Amino acid sequence: EAGVAQSPRYKIIEKRQSVAFWCNPISGHATLYWYQQILGQGPKLLIQFQNNGVVDDSQLPKDRFSAERLKGVDSTLKIQPAKLEDSAVYLCASSRGGADNEKLFFGSGTQLSVL
Amino acid sequence: DQQVKQNSPSLSVQEGRISILNCDYTNSMFDYFLWYKKYPAEGPTFLISISSIKDKNEDGRFTVFLNKSAKHLSLHIVPSQPGDSAVYFCAASYSGNTGKLIFGQGTTLQVKP
Repeated sequence: EAGVAQSPRYKIIEKRQSVAFWCNPISGHATLYWYQQILGQGPKLLIQFQNNGVVDDSQLPKDRFSAERLKGVDSTLKIQPAKLEDSAVYLCASSRGGADNEKLFFGSGTQLSVL
Repeated sequence: DQQVKQNSPSLSVQEGRISILNCDYTNSMFDYFLWYKKYPAEGPTFLISISSIKDKNEDGRFTVFLNKSAKHLSLHIVPSQPGDSAVYFCAASYSGNTGKLIFGQGTTLQVKP
């Protein structure tokens, strides 16, 4: 089974610019997550989708971050405008749902550097 | 407010010996706990989990222990192998299979040959 695909792998931008990340989850996984991992910290949930509906976006800075999941499959996460403190690895994950909902499968992440 | 804490940033052990990674949590509403392992330039991968109704779960060389009264869990790796060298994250979730995980900061394990 193919894993969670993310692109780009690396991105360097200047502050106030915009950036977008793409994620393709494991086929058949209904739940998709975006996590932010700042250096030296554990991943922090930004947003959780169930199919194409948002389940939890309580920690998403909505003034600058947005995310969508088209047709319940691929997802994009956008930052506009970026700040220095947004430098982090952005991880996409998916899960089967049900009793296995906590067993997340992660992509390799997008490492973002904001200069 | 850090609800899940891994107070040891790093741990170094000799190959063949036991590795013990620790994790503390503050929220008594957590009822499911997991350990993830992360190699450089890769995403975390699921390792082992435990429900709050148990105090131990074993999978091969990996055993997770849960002490609910102390709000503490630990991961034991016996015997440790050089390929176990990675960052280990503990995570906790609330009941209801929400899928929302709260992660600790991670512990870097180095297993020396």
